[in-house]
Amino acid sequence: KAGVTQTPRYLIKTRGQQVTLSCSPISGHRSVSWYQQTPGQGLQFLFEYFSETQRNKGNFPGRFSGRQFSNSRSEMNVSTLELGDSALYLCASSGGTANTGELFFGEGSRLTVL
Amino acid sequence: AQSVAQPEDQVNVAEGNPLTVKCTYSVSGNPYLFWYVQYPNRGLQFLLKYITGDNLVKGSYGFEAEFNKSQTSFHLKKPSALVSDSALYFCAVRAYNTDKLIFGTGTRLQVFP
Repeated sequence: KAGVTQTPRYLIKTRGQQVTLSCSPISGHRSVSWYQQTPGQGLQFLFEYFSETQRNKGNFPGRFSGRQFSNSRSEMNVSTLELGDSALYLCASSGGTANTGELFFGEGSRLTVL
Repeated sequence: AQSVAQPEDQVNVAEGNPLTVKCTYSVSGNPYLFWYVQYPNRGLQFLLKYITGDNLVKGSYGFEAEFNKSQTSFHLKKPSALVSDSALYFCAVRAYNTDKLIFGTGTRLQVFP
């Protein structure tokens, strides 16, 4: 069974640009969530989608957005990039429906903003 | 509000010795607790979880964790450490009916040969 797939793995952007990251969950998983990992702030929750609906949102500015498609694949977008957006962005999937099981994480997309 | 604390930034242990990585939590209601491990330039790998039941939870790679409700702790343990266990370990609590995990700050485990 394939795991969570994130693309691209590495990317470099400049300030002011925008970026889109993609996440394909484990087959059958309907819930996808996104996390930002930085040395200073650690792991921070961005948002969570279930059946194409945003179910929960973390404390990030509106420049951070996401969506989920009918096949459960998800994308997140960051507009008007700032240097502080440099981070490892992790996607996770789970069964979703009121379950208390573990989340399965992808390898992450490492974004560097110059 | 839910929170998780990992009081140690780094834990050093000799290979073959037992290891403990500490975690305390603060939640309202029943806690759903997790341990994840991260190797360099990799994502998070699930180790074990406590949802309900036995306080001693066994997980992957020989790791186990003990849930202690009175001390609100969920320490990660392994009887005999391996050099390959060297990595970054995260404790997390999950809010019911969401995929929102609240992570601790992480503990770097260094196992010396």
